[in-house]
Amino acid sequence: QKEVEQNSGPLSVPEGAIASLNCTYSDRVSQSFFWYRQYSGKSPELIMSIYSNGDKEDGRFTAQLNKASQYVSLLIRDSQPSDSATYLCAVNLWKGRGGNKLTFGTGTQLKVEL
Amino acid sequence: GAGVSQTPSNKVTEKGKYVELRCDPISGHTALYWYRQSLGQGPEFLIYFQGTGAADDSGLPNDRFFAVRPEGSVSTLKIQRTERGDSAVYLCASSRKESSYNEQFFGPGTRLTVL
Repeated sequence: QKEVEQNSGPLSVPEGAIASLNCTYSDRVSQSFFWYRQYSGKSPELIMSIYSNGDKEDGRFTAQLNKASQYVSLLIRDSQPSDSATYLCAVNLWKGRGGNKLTFGTGTQLKVEL
Repeated sequence: GAGVSQTPSNKVTEKGKYVELRCDPISGHTALYWYRQSLGQGPEFLIYFQGTGAADDSGLPNDRFFAVRPEGSVSTLKIQRTERGDSAVYLCASSRKESSYNEQFFGPGTRLTVL
């Protein structure tokens, strides 16, 4: 089982719709979770971080975390063509000094169609 | 407030050569990370520094890879006797301090091609 799993997609949604991206992780003691957006040929850009169960909203983005089920999701409301990118889920397992590293999924490609 | 910078942006080298990749973190960030990303994959952790010391180098694939951060700011990733399988984008990230709750910000990456 991979440590962080995402559906590779592509996920196609029409402009203005809600895009829902999902991620599951294997390690129950994972403490922090991040969503990065990566345009083709560019480096990952941090868009959301979440640490506690529940929802966290920032503009059109909502991150959802459920530690009991070991999943984290990202909702993008009113999707725009400029949201078309690969979305990377990253998990940080804090083990004290020496354990601070991100484990990434392979990413979900999102296509927002006109 | 400049972001993380990396040089060179592209590096083409021949198999067996030595390369150095440089990373300059965000000013004031004490933690610095190196990742490697292959096509179609997420970034893969290599090594991270807290200050001048390597706090975790468990991701370095073998002893051809080495990284330093002598003054606690700029870091250099060094690859000896490069192999074609080393071709990837090498990403550097920094965070304010060593904590799982600190967000990591990535530089633009160095695309390494080993012929």
